[in-house]
Amino acid sequence: GENVGLHLPTLSVQEGDNSIINCAYSNSASDYFIWYKQESGKGPQFIIDIRSNMDKRQGQRVTVLLNKTVKHLSLQIAATQPGDSAVYFCAEASGGSYIPTFGRGTSLIVHP
Amino acid sequence: NAGVTQTPKFQVLKTGQSMTLQCAQDMNHNSMYWYRQDPGMGLRLIYYSASEGTTDKGEVPNGYNVSRLNKREFSLRLESAAPSQTSVYFCASSPGLAVDGETQYFGPGTRLLVL
Repeated sequence: GENVGLHLPTLSVQEGDNSIINCAYSNSASDYFIWYKQESGKGPQFIIDIRSNMDKRQGQRVTVLLNKTVKHLSLQIAATQPGDSAVYFCAEASGGSYIPTFGRGTSLIVHP
Repeated sequence: NAGVTQTPKFQVLKTGQSMTLQCAQDMNHNSMYWYRQDPGMGLRLIYYSASEGTTDKGEVPNGYNVSRLNKREFSLRLESAAPSQTSVYFCASSPGLAVDGETQYFGPGTRLLVL
């Protein structure tokens, strides 16, 4: 089947830097994308989502960019804080049944 | 409002034993899900229930059964546990299915070790 994958399994940044987490997807039928944050010992938590008719969406300190041409998704976190340290998952879903398929995840480590 | 709760938090089983993982949500959500998460992997869908009274297989249903007991509760049963079922199990719920933007809310997980 087609997969959602991540380019970097681990990303280390300094506190205050901007972080960019990347995700490649291969299912061209996917039209809804979600980013989740999973802290150690907890379940995933919704961060932000984007539909395929958009190429950018902003939240509080986070921005998701979607490039459908190259099937690429990214999560930008501004002014990264130690509390942002977690594993970040991208997930994709397609019309009719919006049950997300998850990628492997990227571990973000923020150094104070 | 507790959100999604799961019991137990931890469990150790011997191969061949059976057990049921419990999940409940108090958000009046229609849809509920069971996922497993293996080390270094994303979540994989085991079973889901689009609404009370319905259940459907996900990506990895073999070795599991589910019951949507009522709108609040969705249980996952391992009839004969195998070491390959060692994993962290997450239950989730959402207001509905087939509607984008309907965020899934996850429970804290059940850590299962099968010896």
